[in-house]
Amino acid sequence: AQTVTQSQPEMSVQEAETVTLSCTYDTSESNYYLFWYKQPPSRQMILVIRQEAYKQQNATENRFSVNFQKAAKSFSLKISDSQLGDTAMYFCAFIQGAQKLVFGQGTRLTINP
Amino acid sequence: DAGVTQSPTHLIKTRGQQVTLRCSPKSGHDTVSWYQQALGQGPQFIFQYYEEEERQRGNFPDRFSGHQFPNYSSELNVNALLLGDSALYLCASSFGDRFEAFFGQGTRLTVV
Repeated sequence: AQTVTQSQPEMSVQEAETVTLSCTYDTSESNYYLFWYKQPPSRQMILVIRQEAYKQQNATENRFSVNFQKAAKSFSLKISDSQLGDTAMYFCAFIQGAQKLVFGQGTRLTINP
Repeated sequence: DAGVTQSPTHLIKTRGQQVTLRCSPKSGHDTVSWYQQALGQGPQFIFQYYEEEERQRGNFPDRFSGHQFPNYSSELNVNALLLGDSALYLCASSFGDRFEAFFGQGTRLTVV
């Protein structure tokens, strides 16, 4: 079974600091995609960044970057220069084929002024 | 582009009742997936519709059923509601076999 584990239920940092959210996953597949989604209080799930498993280069999107370690099945998200608007629940998710997304339990991130 | 829209945004039902939730996918998308998100948890996959057929299903009882219309919009029906069905129900749309899914703002269902 495919599973996604986020070991940090909550994290809190000061504005402008860098924060790293952890995620591990389990799959026997070799071709898949990994995502980080952000869910603010408005509830809408917003895609932050995606990583194709066949690509060795880590994905980056402005202040957001990932550290993808395929052998270790690890997929962490780094947020640089954190902003108050980054406060939200963050979910790591896995998909293989045009199938279902498998989500982790989430990490509640608070950015303090 | 209106994105994925869901209705209603909030709903309160009584145990034993039936409920229908609606989803309109993002323009150009033909695949709709439904997820249940209990409070403080990650979303759990309910089922996915493509070409008006249920393409795959998660571990949910038959009380959960769905439909997709020719215009790709979708409904989620839940019969014989239980208190444990209280959750945020998220709809996500995508195109064909593409992996990226876009989510709606969800419907908050409370069963009392």
